[in-house]
Amino acid sequence: GESVGLHLPTLSVQEGDNSIINCAYSNSASDYFIWYKQESGKGPQFIIDIRSNMDKRQGQRVTVLLNKTVKHLSLQIAATQPGDSAVYFCAETINTGANSKLTFGKGITLSVRP
Amino acid sequence: KAGVTQTPRYLIKTRGQQVTLSCSPISGHRSVSWYQQTPGQGLQFLFEYFSETQRNKGNFPGRFSGRQFSNSRSEMNVSTLELGDSALYLCASSHWFSGGAGDTQYFGPGTRLTVL
Repeated sequence: GESVGLHLPTLSVQEGDNSIINCAYSNSASDYFIWYKQESGKGPQFIIDIRSNMDKRQGQRVTVLLNKTVKHLSLQIAATQPGDSAVYFCAETINTGANSKLTFGKGITLSVRP
Repeated sequence: KAGVTQTPRYLIKTRGQQVTLSCSPISGHRSVSWYQQTPGQGLQFLFEYFSETQRNKGNFPGRFSGRQFSNSRSEMNVSTLELGDSALYLCASSHWFSGGAGDTQYFGPGTRLTVL
């Protein structure tokens, strides 16, 4: 069945370093992927997305990489800041329009050390 | 413009009771989805409503139900509450499709339900 998983439950990085958060997915038919950030007491917040016809997409301080061969997704955060401390989720979907629904991974906690 | 709002933010109920949670989507958004978030299971899709019709449904028992009104506001109801229903219930809205590429889904802050 479909599943989206994260390799590690927690990640601790030094402020100013780059962070890399990894995610594996199992459904090779998935064609749209999203990264969300969830801060304590808040709902998930969209960070960046990527379609399966791309292998890299960049945003402000964030980059998402997609490797369809090994079904792997990663989120890179440049110059990690204390405000980046949160739980990060990857999500996947098969983009069929009205029947699209997101499947979320378990979440990984990013902790930024000052 | 205002984000997704959910009421109440916190709720305490006892087993066997029922509960109704409310969600107001972003103005102009017609798709509303509900998710259950627990430490053990993560974020799980409950259902999605669009134009007052349930368009998608996750793998939850019939005790979980919802509806959407003509102004796109949505409610979800859980009947005969069980201890395992304790969770953060999140609502998300988007223009058209809950998982559609390019149609960003915006989440509310959630309702924290505790069942005693």
